[in-house]
Amino acid sequence: DTAVSQTPKYLVTQMGNDKSIKCEQNLGHDTMYWYKQDSKKFLKIMFSYNNKELIINETVPNRFSPKSPDKAHLNLHINSLELGDSAVYFCASSRRGGGEQYFGPGTRLTVT
Amino acid sequence: SQQGEEDPQALSIQEGENATMNCSYKTSINNLQWYRQNSGRGLVHLILIRSNEREKHSGRLRVTLDTSKKSSSLLITASRAADTASYFCATDAGGATNKLIFGTGTLLAVQP
Repeated sequence: DTAVSQTPKYLVTQMGNDKSIKCEQNLGHDTMYWYKQDSKKFLKIMFSYNNKELIINETVPNRFSPKSPDKAHLNLHINSLELGDSAVYFCASSRRGGGEQYFGPGTRLTVT
Repeated sequence: SQQGEEDPQALSIQEGENATMNCSYKTSINNLQWYRQNSGRGLVHLILIRSNEREKHSGRLRVTLDTSKKSSSLLITASRAADTASYFCATDAGGATNKLIFGTGTLLAVQP
């Protein structure tokens, strides 16, 4: 009965590869987010979807492409992985109109 | 950078003592939120204070907000070893996106 789940929890891959991270929420929320947390624990918004519509697209390389097949799922695909992509990626969700966000457990991506 | 600043960066106290963390931000806000992150885990929402509120309580947590100084503080009273975590403030400027801008975080260590 996990509220926001992500898979995989750990991802180790080589430079140049393409990988995906999946996120699902069972809270009935309309809005979902992707965040990146770097090694210094700085947490930064990357994307946000509201009922499958992209509403936030921060300055993120276009190698990153989010996809929301329905309002309960938000996936993140990363092409041509680079060393600097190594970080922890968090998915989150909230009700429409903002307020508190519910975070997933994170996916630790290591690019070698 | 839009990122908020938190102070101190790290704080070590004994069980039973109070812990105070401060957050300063740069833009007008609709609300300010505090989150906790245990090591290797996702963020957990603690408390939300709206821009027209000055103080809010939740259990052992007390949050204040001074919009004229663009600052907030989180007080944890009678701390426990289980309170050991990183604490982040996050500001929501409102509008269509409800984007959260996170602070740099305070690492709290409560010694038993």
